[in-house]
Amino acid sequence: DGGITQSPKYLFRKEGQNVTLSCEQNLNHDAMYWYRQDPGQGLRLIYYSQIVNDFQKGDIAEGYSVSREKKESFPLTVTSAQKNPTAFYLCASRVRGDTEAFFGQGTRLTVV
Amino acid sequence: AQSVTQPDIHITVSEGASLELRCNYSYGATPYLFWYVQSPGQGLQLLLKYFSGDTLVQGIKGFEAEFKRSQSSFNLRKPSVHWSDAAEYFCAVDSGAGSYQLTFGKGTKLSVIP
Repeated sequence: DGGITQSPKYLFRKEGQNVTLSCEQNLNHDAMYWYRQDPGQGLRLIYYSQIVNDFQKGDIAEGYSVSREKKESFPLTVTSAQKNPTAFYLCASRVRGDTEAFFGQGTRLTVV
Repeated sequence: AQSVTQPDIHITVSEGASLELRCNYSYGATPYLFWYVQSPGQGLQLLLKYFSGDTLVQGIKGFEAEFKRSQSSFNLRKPSVHWSDAAEYFCAVDSGAGSYQLTFGKGTKLSVIP
């Protein structure tokens, strides 16, 4: 079945360590997104990519990095520069602007 | 920059009552509009979408939404709420200008009283 897979579901890291969240889709979608979700804040856009080897910063890109080497994959690295990384992270993809986005089940990152 | 406002943080309704969740957007042209629902700890599921044409759109689970250009609104409605509708609801907008940027509101949490 086609879909978006985020792994792992739960992730624990020590403060000061970089961590990479995985997002893979087999829907043949061009665009992929990373959102951060905190209670009462809704979904805030971190990065998005329209095509392979190209991506744009969203509203809260500081302390994060991404790559888009393959159409199917859009990993997110949370660096030690991110001041408050503990959050729920959601990955999404869609074909283009006039289509809906499909979401993964999320990764809950806890930094201690 | 485009933005989405959901004025109600938390709404409580009785089962069987009608529901309206508000959504306003800031983009001047006609954007692409979406409503999503999220259960705790899960991803988001699409309820309905509006791109063009008929301003009243039907979605899954008995939901509908009406696009009102004059008010820059895209409110979600349901005639009779079920206990299983308790969740968080998000309105989202794409400017439609080819940027592919998808912006979400802060969400409205719906509680249903049996």
